[in-house]
Amino acid sequence: DVKVTQSSRYLVKRTGEKVFLECVQDMDHENMFWYRQDPGLGLRLIYFSYDVKMKEKGDIPEGYSVSREKKERFSLILESASTNQTSMYLCASGVAGANNEQFFGPGTRLTVL
Amino acid sequence: GDSVTQMEGPVTLSEEAFLTINCTYTATGYPSLFWYVQYPGEGLQLLLKATKADDKGSNKGFEATYRKETTSFHLEKGSVQVSDSAVYFCALSRFLSGGYNKLIFGAGTRLAVHP
Repeated sequence: DVKVTQSSRYLVKRTGEKVFLECVQDMDHENMFWYRQDPGLGLRLIYFSYDVKMKEKGDIPEGYSVSREKKERFSLILESASTNQTSMYLCASGVAGANNEQFFGPGTRLTVL
Repeated sequence: GDSVTQMEGPVTLSEEAFLTINCTYTATGYPSLFWYVQYPGEGLQLLLKATKADDKGSNKGFEATYRKETTSFHLEKGSVQVSDSAVYFCALSRFLSGGYNKLIFGAGTRLAVHP
């Protein structure tokens, strides 16, 4: 089975802190994604990567950056956390192609105080 | 731009009731369509998909038919169980020129099934 793991299930940080969220997948997928999930808004794409060291902005990239140094690992970085970044963050991976599903990790619930 | 609209929840049903969750989309061309399910405390997992018009996706007793004429992909199940309680997301997939696909999600519909 495909497995996507995220470094933390719950995280509490203070305003202004630098936050790292890590995601690892074990299926050699080219594509990896970071979403945030908020009630009533569904999932919104923050950033994605289609190859090592490659990244593309999603729909809501402001306040975030990403890093992909190895194929299996995709990191989301909050340079200076703010309270409006309190959310559930979901990582996903998948094979390129419109018919292909994405596989999701369990999520990290981040609270910024 | 592309978008997905789902019926608002929560949907509350008794066990063995019939379920419909409506989903409509706006997109150019012929996107692939998906239903994902999120059980409490977990990430999303694929429930079913359809890749072209009139395709029917099915899994675990759930079904959805890709209707291009009504731009819809409604999720149905004939007899729900308590274990089906979850949040259901409709999504469309847009294949981009760089060789990767982007999923666009609806807001999600929470289903609660009572014994």
